[in-house]
Amino acid sequence: QVQLEESGGGFVKPGGSLRLACVASGLVFRESYMAWVRQSAGRGPECISYISGNGEDIYYRESVKGRFTISRDNTNDSVFLEGSDLTVEDTAIYYCATVKWEGGVSFHSWGQGTVVNVSS
Amino acid sequence: SAELTQESSLSVALGQTVSITCQGGTLRDYFTSWYQQRPGQAPVLVMYGTKRRPSGIPDRFSGASVGGIVSLTITAAQVEDEAEYFCSSPDKSGNSVLFGGGTKLTVL
Repeated sequence: QVQLEESGGGFVKPGGSLRLACVASGLVFRESYMAWVRQSAGRGPECISYISGNGEDIYYRESVKGRFTISRDNTNDSVFLEGSDLTVEDTAIYYCATVKWEGGVSFHSWGQGTVVNVSS
Repeated sequence: SAELTQESSLSVALGQTVSITCQGGTLRDYFTSWYQQRPGQAPVLVMYGTKRRPSGIPDRFSGASVGGIVSLTITAAQVEDEAEYFCSSPDKSGNSVLFGGGTKLTVL
């Protein structure tokens, strides 16, 4: 059974930064695409970044490109998301999820999420 | 369209059948996934590859695609099926991911 546990959320002032971490278990981590999906209050999810198992294939949603960086540590089965120059628009629950590409894209396992609140 | 459109809300009587639809985007080109989200909880994958159920998802959930409109059908809906449902599919580039606005399902 895949388990994902996020950490690192909290209150951040506009212009500040964040570093989120997700530890995975129950899967062959080094072979797994991993994603960060966020969800603002009352809205649908949005995939903001994903990274391939070897770290060579990386995607960023346009709204975070240049401000967010995804990385992974296959030795410790962890994936990270660093963000800077945060705005109130970045306030959301941030979920870590496993990704599968099979003629489409699906997020098979999700963590419980960590809340990021950007506020002055 | 670069967006996925769903009904904002639907209701179904206990034990009856309901279909949630998803239109737009690149649904004709890629498979669709569906997620169930109960209040205060993380989304759960209930359908992928348009018609494939993950292990542990009851067989009352089924998926279909007809003429570019994708649907998630719940047959004999149960109280625990009351939730918000989101469809998802890659965008035209195949690199990004679109989500629908969500359908709030009420089981009466």
